[in-house]
Amino acid sequence: KQEVTQIPAALSVPEGENLVLNCSFTDSAIYNLQWFRQDPGKGLTSLLLIQSSQREQTSGRLNASLDKSSGRSTLYIAASQPGDSATYLCAVRVDDYKLSFGAGTTVTVRA
Amino acid sequence: DADVTQTPRNRITKTGKRIMLECSQTKGHDRMYWYRQDPGLGLRLIYYSFDVKDINKGEISDGYSVSRQAQAKFSLSLESAIPNQTALYFCATSGWDKAYNEQFFGPGTRLTVL
Repeated sequence: KQEVTQIPAALSVPEGENLVLNCSFTDSAIYNLQWFRQDPGKGLTSLLLIQSSQREQTSGRLNASLDKSSGRSTLYIAASQPGDSATYLCAVRVDDYKLSFGAGTTVTVRA
Repeated sequence: DADVTQTPRNRITKTGKRIMLECSQTKGHDRMYWYRQDPGLGLRLIYYSFDVKDINKGEISDGYSVSRQAQAKFSLSLESAIPNQTALYFCATSGWDKAYNEQFFGPGTRLTVL
């Protein structure tokens, strides 16, 4: 069974600092990995999707890397802003449809 | 307008009541999913549907049932609600591309069972 872990569970940083969020998974046989942002009352927003054959994906200030062999992904958010405060979830797709989610990292960016 | 909508957004009910949560999507996707989220846990899959005639149980289906009324509509029912079904419920949709298959989520329904 795929286990997805996100450590730490919570993180607080001053504005302007770069954010580094970690995701680890136990089975390297994945189709892809998605990073989501969760805001209270607004559901999940997909940030980046990395295919199993890719090493990284970038969108604006966000960069996500994937190392399948070690079962790790890292989401980097450059120059954090208070608006980046949210919970960030990673999920790996293990077959045609199933996503296995981590419990998330709750980020607070202090102004 | 949002691509995936859920109603109601919040619901408080009592033990033993029947509850229906509804999901609609305008993305034209065939696949739809119901998840629940509990504090400190990742989202867990309750049911999923690949099309109107194809409905499958997920990892935590006990106590739940679903109905796929149309390609765009997928409802989740709690036949007799119990307090440990208090959670945040999400509906999601995806296409059928095997390699990509990005899932898109609704805003969630917060359900409290007293």
